[in-house]
Amino acid sequence: DVVMTQSPLSLPVTLGQPASISCRSSQSLVHSDGNTYLNWFQQRPGQSPRRLIYKVSNRDSGVPDRFSGSGSGTDFTLKISRVEAEDVGVYYCMQGTHWPQITFGQGTRLEIK
Amino acid sequence: QVQLVQSGAEVKKPGASVKVSCKASGYTFTSYDINWVRQATGQGLEWMGWMNPNSGNTGYAQKFQGRVTMTRNTSISTAYMELSSLRSEDTAVYYCARERLDAPDYWGQGTLVTVSS
Repeated sequence: DVVMTQSPLSLPVTLGQPASISCRSSQSLVHSDGNTYLNWFQQRPGQSPRRLIYKVSNRDSGVPDRFSGSGSGTDFTLKISRVEAEDVGVYYCMQGTHWPQITFGQGTRLEIK
Repeated sequence: QVQLVQSGAEVKKPGASVKVSCKASGYTFTSYDINWVRQATGQGLEWMGWMNPNSGNTGYAQKFQGRVTMTRNTSISTAYMELSSLRSEDTAVYYCARERLDAPDYWGQGTLVTVSS
């Protein structure tokens, strides 16, 4: 299976400050069709996951523009330009390139300092 | 609006089976694949498999091959996930999620399955 490794696992951030989460894969996530199926999810406390970003850098409808995704190959990043209180939760990356062995990262817990 | 409403919590004994339902509304059920993902308490997300509600085609994670079955009833826009030979490690919240643009977008509220003797 493709192993997805996130860092850091815990991310204390001051309100209004930026935050960055890294996600590295054990194999390239470039599919034979040319797409890179790397997605980011947010899971707020007590809630179901919510997709934020699909195919590396495409923001879902309704997702604030302070969230952005970037990267290529095996190295990806989720950035929050200015953290707000509602951003508290756990963030997961997920690769869909190597279907049907879809895998998630371990999760990064974002908290307010 | 898109909604996925799952069945209620279940308590099962080791060796038993569980069947979780996921009723879709707010979109055409047969137009989007359904994924199943589980999450043990305090743990991360684990993808279990996928089903195309139109064709009934499925694809399962290797870990669950032989133990999981995903089906659907298109007349009531409902997907099902059945997991057999339950063991304590299967205690988790099970989520269904619609797939759009090659990844889950809308998720159900989750169903807690507890396996305990």
